[in-house]
Amino acid sequence: EAGVVQSPRYKIIEKKQPVAFWCNPISGHNTLYWYLQNLGQGPELLIRYENEEAVDDSQLPKDRFSAERLKGVDSTLKIQPAELGDSAVYLCASSFTENTEAFFGQGTRLTVV
Amino acid sequence: ILNVEQSPQSLHVQEGDSTNFTCSFPSSNFYALHWYRWETAKSPEALFVMTLNGDEKKKGRISATLNTKEGYSYLYIKGSQPEDSATYLCACLSGSARQLTFGSGTQLTVLP
Repeated sequence: EAGVVQSPRYKIIEKKQPVAFWCNPISGHNTLYWYLQNLGQGPELLIRYENEEAVDDSQLPKDRFSAERLKGVDSTLKIQPAELGDSAVYLCASSFTENTEAFFGQGTRLTVV
Repeated sequence: ILNVEQSPQSLHVQEGDSTNFTCSFPSSNFYALHWYRWETAKSPEALFVMTLNGDEKKKGRISATLNTKEGYSYLYIKGSQPEDSATYLCACLSGSARQLTFGSGTQLTVLP
C-alpha cells in the first residue's frame, strides 16, 4: 500500500514568491494534517482536515498561508508571498480517524532565499 | 495550545546500554498519547498509541508506559543499538478539538 505522498521533496524560492505543496494521503484516511517543522523542534500543527472540512486551522497564518482539500482526498498548502522565516520542512500526515496513529509523508523542505 | 514537553532534548548512550526518555503533557481532557520514531531523511513512524492509564506497550526492545493522572509517559529502549539512533517524538491528543500536539523530541545517538 502506498504511503503518504508529498511533492516536491525540495523547493528553493526567492522571498515574496508564491509556493505550493501537494499531499496525497493514504487511501481511506479521513484525517489529514499539515505540520511545520523547524530545525531542532517538533512538528507544529498548521491545519487539520476531517474529510474536506478544515476543523482546526487556528495556527495557520491566514494572511499568507492557505490550504484546501477538495473532495476530501489530496490537499495543497500554499504560501503567498513567502518570507525568509518560512524556510522549514512541511510535513503532511494522514490517519484513518483523529484517534488513530498518523502516517507521515517525507516532507517538503522549503528554503526561502 | 497544549504544552507537551520531552526530556532530555538529546542523549548519547553506548551500544548495549538501556535508556529512557520522558514525555509530559496536561492530564486534563486527555485522549491519547502517541510515540513516533523519526530517522534522518525519513518520515516519522508511529511506535505506539496509548489511551488508558497504566497502559504498557512493547515492540521488540522498545516499550512505553502511560500515566494519564499525572500526565507523563516513559519510552524505554533496552540494549540500545546504533540503528536506534533517531529522534523520538511524543504527541498528545486531547481537548475537544482533538488536536495532535507534538513535543520537541528527544534526539538519541547510540555510539558503537
